[in-house]
Amino acid sequence: NAGVTQTPKFQVLKTGQSMTLQCAQDMNHNSMYWYRQDPGMGLRLIYYSASEGTTDKGEVPNGYNVSRLNKREFSLRLESAAPSQTSVYFCASSEGADTQYFGPGTRLTVL
Amino acid sequence: SQQGEEDPQALSIQEGENATMNCSYKTSINNLQWYRQNSGRGLVHLILIRSNEREKHSGRLRVTLDTSKKSSSLLITASRAADTASYFCATELFRYALNFGKGTSLLVTP
Repeated sequence: NAGVTQTPKFQVLKTGQSMTLQCAQDMNHNSMYWYRQDPGMGLRLIYYSASEGTTDKGEVPNGYNVSRLNKREFSLRLESAAPSQTSVYFCASSEGADTQYFGPGTRLTVL
Repeated sequence: SQQGEEDPQALSIQEGENATMNCSYKTSINNLQWYRQNSGRGLVHLILIRSNEREKHSGRLRVTLDTSKKSSSLLITASRAADTASYFCATELFRYALNFGKGTSLLVTP
């Protein structure tokens, strides 16, 4: 089992460019999440999907969109990247309210 | 807003010593979780304690929960260099999503 996988691992964008971060899990979990982590900070929730076909905003959704493509995949899209979106992005999945399993992260720099 | 706040922000100890870190939170909870993050990596779940539990053990980890004080502590006994990492407490935000504190950075030196 690969667990939670994320692509790409690293990305550099120019201001205004767009990109999609991909996330997939093979644990048959219903719930998936996107968090961002800034230096010296904990993780902040961007969007989440409680189950296939549903998505909801988290604490910091502005500038992002998500798609729950199927039960396995949950993508995060930056339509017009800004320097304030420079961060490390983590995808996670869980079955209910218990343990969340995290991917290795995507390091994004917006110039 | 961050519900959990870990204390201290940084902790440096020698191998073999015990490490204690604390977490305070603001609202009532169903459970509280602790995660570890090695430098540059994703978070790894360590332990979950439910609101009706006062203490829980897992290997060298001991977690306590005091709901009256809205606080939890994580004790790592006989620390090893491999325990060097950041440790986060997490409580429910909404619909299973988690609210993380800023973490305690633990350095264990040989």
